[in-house]
Amino acid sequence: EVQLVESGGTLVQPGGSLRLSCAASGFTFSSYWMTWVRQAPGKGLEWVANIKQDGSDKYYVDPVRGRFTISRDNAKNSLYLQMNGLRVDDTAVYYCARAVAGTPVDYWGQGTLVTVSS
Amino acid sequence: QTVVTQEPSFSVSPGGTVTLTCGLSSGSVSATSHPCWYQQTPGQAPRTLIYNTDIRSSGVPDRFSGSIVGNKAALTITGAQPDDESDYYCVLYMRSGIWVFGGGTKLTVL
Repeated sequence: EVQLVESGGTLVQPGGSLRLSCAASGFTFSSYWMTWVRQAPGKGLEWVANIKQDGSDKYYVDPVRGRFTISRDNAKNSLYLQMNGLRVDDTAVYYCARAVAGTPVDYWGQGTLVTVSS
Repeated sequence: QTVVTQEPSFSVSPGGTVTLTCGLSSGSVSATSHPCWYQQTPGQAPRTLIYNTDIRSSGVPDRFSGSIVGNKAALTITGAQPDDESDYYCVLYMRSGIWVFGGGTKLTVL
């Protein structure tokens, strides 16, 4: 069974940094693109970033480019999102997701809440 | 900046058929947009319904189907059930690894 478990979400002050982690199991992690998607409270879904199987290609949505970094450790079956320069409007539930050809997401994690507030 | 458009809300009667659409503020949706559809109920993670235009994700009932109609992607629910009352999101592939979600459609079954 595919499982994606996010961790690291918490309350952080504006301008602060945070690293989210996602532990993957139930599939060959190194064979899949991986994705982060976020959802602000009461709002819709927003694709944030994705990363190729070997980490050689990474793509970001404009509002986070230059502040967030997606990475992975295939030996640890783990996906990460390093978030720097956090803003109030980065407040959201962040979902880790597995991608397959033709979709940025086929399996979703349960999400971790990041709150940016003073 | 191209925006992905969805109806904000829709209503369907139990047992009825409804088609939700996903378009672009400029341009047409095509197979190369790889339209995908997701269902989300309040407080839950989304669930993948359809990907690559018309491929049903594992375990998704065949009353859910995807297609391209005219210049938009479409999600059709045939024989709507009360459990189908949810938010539905589409996502489209733009270019160079970038995907953009639509704003979502709130479907009411009554």
